[in-house]
Order: sequence, then C-alpha cells, then structure tokens
Amino acid sequence: GENVGLHLPTLSVQEGDNSIINCAYSNSASDYFIWYKQESGKGPQFIIDIRSNMDKRQGQRVTVLLNKTVKHLSLQIAATQPGDSAVYFCAENRVDTGRRALTFGSGTRLQVQP
Amino acid sequence: ETGVTQTPRHLVMGMTNKKSLKCEQHLGHNAMYWYKQSAKKPLELMFVYSLEERVENNSVPSRFSPECPNSSHLFLHLHTLQPEDSALYLCASSQGSGIMNTEAFFGQGTRLTVV
Repeated sequence: GENVGLHLPTLSVQEGDNSIINCAYSNSASDYFIWYKQESGKGPQFIIDIRSNMDKRQGQRVTVLLNKTVKHLSLQIAATQPGDSAVYFCAENRVDTGRRALTFGSGTRLQVQP
Repeated sequence: ETGVTQTPRHLVMGMTNKKSLKCEQHLGHNAMYWYKQSAKKPLELMFVYSLEERVENNSVPSRFSPECPNSSHLFLHLHTLQPEDSALYLCASSQGSGIMNTEAFFGQGTRLTVV
C-alpha cells in the first residue's frame, strides 16, 4: 500500500485494550489539529479535531489531548477493536505561513490483535 | 462515503501519455485540494483551490496541471510523467475560503502507476 515504504511507527494492542497514539508538532502558531484514520485502499477519514483554545476533546470512544507547552497531541482509543486497525495521522493548520491547508505527520500504524 | 468522489480509482499510464484525474464533491464546499501520498513520503499538499481560484501551488512540477471549473469539480491533468510520480493522489474538500480551520473530507484516491 501507499504507506508500506515508510518506516511507520507501529502500535500493537490487544482487542479490548486502550490505545494511545502520539504526535509531535513543530509550529507553536498552529491553532487547529485533526486526527485522521486511513484504512488500506481508502482515503483518510476524519476522526476528531481540536482547536488550540482547548486541551481535551472527547468523541465516541476517542479522546484527543493537546499539550501546547510541549507541542504534543495524542489520540486515545478506548476498548480498541479489530476495525480500528489502520494508519493514524495527525494534521495541523500552520497559520504562520498563511497556508490554507493541513500539514500531515507521517502516521502511526495501529495493529489490533484479536 | 465522504461525499468526495474520485475517478478513476486506478490508472496505469506510460511516460508519454496524457491523462486526467477527476474529483467531484457534493458537500457544498468552496475549497478543494490535491494531495499526493507516496510510499516514501507522508501526505504532501500539491494544490489548493478556494472559490475556484488557485491559492496555493506547492512547488509542483509543471507536468501536473490542475483545473477547477467550478466549486464542485477539480481535475488534475497529467502529461509526460515520471515513474517516481507513481502514488496515490487524493482529493479533498472543505468549507471556508480563508485559513483552513475545518476538517477536510477526502476521496478514496486514484492510485497512479507510471510505467
């Protein structure tokens, strides 16, 4: 697949466990962050977003934490299921360059063992 | 389905061919994007169109030529490509013509192989 050549960090968890996927961003001026999930053969799919005026946001089975002090973003998935197996990307909007599009990280592969 | 449709899903072309990728969004968005996803690099932004006007061209070679005839359609015209251009080409759309602060919806992508 399109991510095979990249040496993606891989997180392997047992079904039912909680997963935590981490992402570091570089631009302290970024004010909007998104987590995407990409399954094999598909485009990235929105999971959850967070703005810089928040440090936590919860969705269904997912929580995003933002630590602006250390420029760190994490995605927590509760009760991980086999269907959660995918590559997860964090993306940021880097406002300093006036960019009108998201900048993506290289991704983390999540493998859920049944 | 995300409301963003890309065709074709797969394309094999020779280095002397001319082909076009098509993207259509049914979400009423006014910004559209082309991204390239290859085996060796993460998602790379190629072009941004906002209100049918190109607002960003991210140092993409001229053998890639985008076209946005209206806010619902986006094309990527390809000619004299190189094997290293083989990748998954993703189209996305979002609402808002200013600094992007809303989620982007992606299509399934066109897997391009240049032989």
